[in-house]
Amino acid sequence: DVKVTQSSRYLVKRTGEKVFLECVQDMDHENMFWYRQDPGLGLRLIYFSYDVKMKEKGDIPEGYSVSREKKERFSLILESASTNQTSMYLCASASWGPANEQFFGPGTRLTVL
Amino acid sequence: TQLLEQSPQFLSIQEGENLTVYCNSSSVFSSLQWYRQEPGEGPVLLVTVVTGGEVKKLKRLTFQFGDARKDSSLHITAAQPGDTGLYLCAGSTSGTYKYIFGTGTRLKVLA
Repeated sequence: DVKVTQSSRYLVKRTGEKVFLECVQDMDHENMFWYRQDPGLGLRLIYFSYDVKMKEKGDIPEGYSVSREKKERFSLILESASTNQTSMYLCASASWGPANEQFFGPGTRLTVL
Repeated sequence: TQLLEQSPQFLSIQEGENLTVYCNSSSVFSSLQWYRQEPGEGPVLLVTVVTGGEVKKLKRLTFQFGDARKDSSLHITAAQPGDTGLYLCAGSTSGTYKYIFGTGTRLKVLA
């Protein structure tokens, strides 16, 4: 059974803290994605990676960075968390090729106080 | 920034009714996907359409890609409580593996 897992389902942090969200996929996919999901805004792409150590900015990269040291693992980093980063964060992976299915993790609900 | 607008935003219907959800953009997409997301879970792919005018059926769900590849619709026949969830469309333009997601339609089917 294919799977994308995320390190935490719920996370509460304080303003200014450094936050790490980790995502692991077991499908040997080349592409991995980080989105945030907010009511009425759908999913917005933060960053994606098409290979180890390769990354591209999505639509809302400000305040975030990413790391992909191994093919199966893609980390999202909030260097200094702020209250406007309170959101649901979803990780996804997909194989090469256009129109390929994205497989999503269950999400991490992050609250920044 | 490309935008995908979905309508309606919310829909609450009785079991057995039919419904249509729309996904519209001013941009042309090379492919368009529909996902369903249940509470506490990530979205799960329902269908991918790639050809203008294409119609795909998945049991009681019918998906259509507009002729100009700027819009799509999802029609559910005889809705059931198990259809309850958040429906998301996602479009991709040529030469990219990125998808732009729509704003979502939250469907509730009452027994």
